[in-house]
Amino acid sequence: DTGVSQDPRHKITKRGQNVTFRCDPISEHNRLYWYRQTLGQGPEFLTYFQNEAQLEKSRLLSDRFSAERPKGSFSTLEIQRTEQGDSAMYLCASSRRTSGSYGQYFGPGTRLTVT
Amino acid sequence: AQKITQTQPGMFVQEKEAVTLDCTYDTSDPSYGLFWYKQPSSGEMIFLIYQGSYDQQNATEGRYSLNFQKARKSANLVISASQLGDSAMYFCAMREGVTGNQFYFGTGTSLTVIP
Repeated sequence: DTGVSQDPRHKITKRGQNVTFRCDPISEHNRLYWYRQTLGQGPEFLTYFQNEAQLEKSRLLSDRFSAERPKGSFSTLEIQRTEQGDSAMYLCASSRRTSGSYGQYFGPGTRLTVT
Repeated sequence: AQKITQTQPGMFVQEKEAVTLDCTYDTSDPSYGLFWYKQPSSGEMIFLIYQGSYDQQNATEGRYSLNFQKARKSANLVISASQLGDSAMYFCAMREGVTGNQFYFGTGTSLTVIP
């Protein structure tokens, strides 16, 4: 399978714990995106990487959230001191370019439940 | 103001019939891209079709076509010959600018195909 992969697929954690998610993009894609999706809503942009550089962050990304892409390949999203409001599906997407018809290709997501 | 508006929370269509899913967008940027994604119950977002703001013709991809009305700022998705496997959530999205790094998604339309 050469699509975008995410790990874990599901995570249940207690409030106040830290969690880390991983995303492996399609290998030839140098652009990587993180989104959050809550029930009944469309994905909300969190952050964007071009290679290893984090070029854009949403105001949704509080200081408890940090994302990295150290070698320009896989990326991690860490949430510190989780809150119940962090419960959502976290989606990763990658693309080869941002212009023209290049859509983003999404992974299956990591569903986070904070109890 | 919402960047993307999808006013149909749920739609039903008879198998083999055509269905139109509505999408309106808001941007002052003359250059933008419009996308439709399908999200089955499994959760993965699937890229369906793209329309560029300068494209003269409506985009088509197999049974999917995009009815692009620039003056009305609408980008409706038309699915012809509906199949049971088309039952899913459908999201309209927009990328602003030639190399915009952020996608804005609507709240989605749930489509149910009735046998």
